[in-house]
Amino acid sequence: KAGVTQTPRYLIKTRGQQVTLSCSPISGHRSVSWYQQTPGQGLQFLFEYFSETQRNKGNFPGRFSGRQFSNSRSEMNVSTLELGDSALYLCASSLAQGYQETQYFGPGTRLLVL
Amino acid sequence: DAKTTQPPSMDCAEGRAANLPCNHSTISGNEYVYWYRQIHSQGPQYIIHGLKNNETNEMASLIITEDRKSSTLILPHATLRDTAVYYCIVRYNNDMRFGAGTRLTVKP
Repeated sequence: KAGVTQTPRYLIKTRGQQVTLSCSPISGHRSVSWYQQTPGQGLQFLFEYFSETQRNKGNFPGRFSGRQFSNSRSEMNVSTLELGDSALYLCASSLAQGYQETQYFGPGTRLLVL
Repeated sequence: DAKTTQPPSMDCAEGRAANLPCNHSTISGNEYVYWYRQIHSQGPQYIIHGLKNNETNEMASLIITEDRKSSTLILPHATLRDTAVYYCIVRYNNDMRFGAGTRLTVKP
């Protein structure tokens, strides 16, 4: 079974631009979570989607948004990019919601904001 | 979510068992202990998880103390490819709160 895929793998943007990242979960998985990883803050939870609805949200500004489609694929968007948004963005999928559900991570999208 | 405490770094000789400790003294009854590892900025890789009982799979064993206040991840025969940052996570909500983890270096 194919794992979680994320596109693009690498991205360079400039301040003020916006960016959209894509995540395809493992087949049959319906929950998708997004995380940001930076050297200073480590891995931080952004938000989680299940059945096309945002179910849980971390402590990030409104510039960070996401959505989930009926096929469970998910996108996240960052508007008005700042230098501090440079990070590895990770997507994780699980069969369903719930803390008993193991999350499986994709390889990440590395975003560099200049 | 309960917080976890892990040593920042550990070394292990190749072929020997690697025992990675995690302290979660404020864990509550419904919180699971999950272990992930991350190799050189790849996505975190799931290793194992448990609630009360010890668990074993093809990758590792998880030993949880009876009071559930600490646990140990055991890699029975460490190889150079096991060099990574290992995260112990105590999880109740759907989101996972990652700490700084333990950087395990397996040496020849």
